[in-house]
Amino acid sequence: GENVEQHPSTLSVQEGDSAVIKCTYSDSASNYFPWYKQELGKGPQLIIDIRSNVGEKKDQRIAVTLNKTAKHFSLHITETQPEDSAVYFCVNDYKLSFGAGTTVTVRA
Amino acid sequence: ETGVTQSPTHLIKTRGQQVTLRCSSQSGHNTVSWYQQALGQGPQFIFQYYREEENGRGNFPPRFSGLQFPNYSSELNVNALELDDSALYLCASSLTVDNSPLHFGNGTRLTVT
Repeated sequence: GENVEQHPSTLSVQEGDSAVIKCTYSDSASNYFPWYKQELGKGPQLIIDIRSNVGEKKDQRIAVTLNKTAKHFSLHITETQPEDSAVYFCVNDYKLSFGAGTTVTVRA
Repeated sequence: ETGVTQSPTHLIKTRGQQVTLRCSSQSGHNTVSWYQQALGQGPQFIFQYYREEENGRGNFPPRFSGLQFPNYSSELNVNALELDDSALYLCASSLTVDNSPLHFGNGTRLTVT
């Protein structure tokens, strides 16, 4: 979507390594930043979200950081596993804009 | 708890025809959003319905229209189909309209020939 830019578009990591995906947004009124994971043949599923009053949130191997001043937020996956291979999308709650997606491949 | 279900799963239509896609929202959710996802791209917001009224629309022409029913299920209608309308159409329900996680169905794959 035009309101959020996502990088990189593809990411290949060795199993056990970390993966980082970054998104930047333009609307300063945004205050909710979810991340979705989409596996082949399925709809996107929420994996983690963060609100603007929080700078970081963790859920086991997944973490999200938010920098409102710089207008960017990032997804961090640690100790990657083969089942982490999927397409990941960041979302800007302004007009519910999805990023273009990052295809993550975890090499065994 | 029943998740979001969409029907049909696949559909083939001819250019110029009309199509109706259906979505049953998750129990307790009063908001439904529709997205179009072209191959290899992120979902594009079409519109959102909250308590049977349109509550926001993306950059899609008027031939894309929708409805939400009293039980919060929803329909997406597309008139005068074009080849570029071929895509995966995703429906997502949420507990409320603002800052609420989206729960997606698995989509309807529409092919326009």
